[in-house]
Amino acid sequence: AQSVSQHNHHVILSEAASLELGCNYSYGGTVNLFWYVQYPGQHLQLLLKYFSGDPLVKGIKGFEAEFIKSKFSFNLRKPSVQWSDTAEYFCAVNAVGGGSYIPTFGRGTSLIVHP
Amino acid sequence: DTGVSQDPRHKITKRGQNVTFRCDPISEHNRLYWYRQTLGQGPEFLTYFQNEAQLEKSRLLSDRFSAERPKGSFSTLEIQRTEQGDSAMYLCASSLFRLAGEPYGDTQYFGPGTRLTVL
Repeated sequence: AQSVSQHNHHVILSEAASLELGCNYSYGGTVNLFWYVQYPGQHLQLLLKYFSGDPLVKGIKGFEAEFIKSKFSFNLRKPSVQWSDTAEYFCAVNAVGGGSYIPTFGRGTSLIVHP
Repeated sequence: DTGVSQDPRHKITKRGQNVTFRCDPISEHNRLYWYRQTLGQGPEFLTYFQNEAQLEKSRLLSDRFSAERPKGSFSTLEIQRTEQGDSAMYLCASSLFRLAGEPYGDTQYFGPGTRLTVL
């Protein structure tokens, strides 16, 4: 069974600072990778996803993530955060093939951006 | 925008009572997922359907939990004899899973959730 680890549980930044949130997973096979965001009072929304191809994926609102297969990582980045990026961020992994299909989420990172 | 809807949004019940939640997915989506989320944690997978077939069920899921998707459209999640530990947000998500061709995989779209409080 796969697992997902998000290293930073709480991150506090000032506006215009750069952001990198770590995500590592444990699964030896092919995976689909996702970052979801949950703004205060709203439901989970997809930020970006990786299925195959270019390991550098771009999502909404200026976010990007890089899949590094050798490191089992899918870190989320944004060069300059805004106050409106204050939210909870979740990394998720779907194992592809192998019979069992159980999507796994990390425990989330709470991001607070000060204006 | 007809996204995933869930009903009710909030449910307060007494320990030992049964509760039922409903999820209406995006209309053309063939997969439907149920998750549970507690404070400070990510969504925890409970079960999922492809059309009306329940394909996976978490081994952590108690026998008190049952889910159905009778016509491959909406789904219900029932919890029998609720316990205080069942208090959580119950999330539903739907997706269009492509059975052949690229890309292989699905993207889940989440509903607003049902917050259950068991007193």
